Amino acid sequence: DAGVTQSPTHLIKTRGQHVTLRCSPISGHKSVSWYQQVLGQGPQFIFQYYEKEERGRGNFPDRFSARQFPNYSSELNVNALLLGDSALYLCASSLHYGYTFGSGTRLTVV
Amino acid sequence: AQSVTQLDSQVPVFEEAPVELRCNYSSSVSVYLFWYVQYPNQGLQLLLKYLSGSTLVKGINGFEAEFNKSQTSFHLRKPSVHISDTAEYFCAVSANFGNEKLTFGTGTRLTIIP
Repeated sequence: DAGVTQSPTHLIKTRGQHVTLRCSPISGHKSVSWYQQVLGQGPQFIFQYYEKEERGRGNFPDRFSARQFPNYSSELNVNALLLGDSALYLCASSLHYGYTFGSGTRLTVV
Repeated sequence: AQSVTQLDSQVPVFEEAPVELRCNYSSSVSVYLFWYVQYPNQGLQLLLKYLSGSTLVKGINGFEAEFNKSQTSFHLRKPSVHISDTAEYFCAVSANFGNEKLTFGTGTRLTIIP
């Protein structure tokens, strides 16, 4: 089985632009979560979706939004990018036995 | 709300020596505990997890951890480390297994000295 896949792997954007990050969960996993990992820190929770419904939201501004599609894949959108949004964005899917993470999308805002 | 404290930001260890990475948590409810490893420029890989039952949990790559409820700790151990264990290690807690967010510690960088 394929693991959690994220695209793109790397991305460079300019301040003020918008970005969309994509995640495909492990087959059968209905829950998808997004995390932001700034260099040198632990991952911080952004969103969790289960069966297309938002189940939780971390302490992030409204510039961050997400959605989950009928096939359980997910998108994370960030508007009006700031330099501080530069980070590794991780997606995780879960079923019953733990959270499995993708390799992440490295976003650099210049 | 839950929180996790990893007491050591960096741990240097000689190859083939034992290692312990410390993790303490805070929670008002029962928790599930995890250790993840992150190799350079990669995502997170699950090492082991504590859900219930035996307090000694064995994971991949020879790692194990012990859940101590009275001390609210979940320390990670390995009896003999290898160069390939050089990585960042994160302890994490969740209050509702599988359906709630993970709260991570700030990580411990394990460096193996040849």
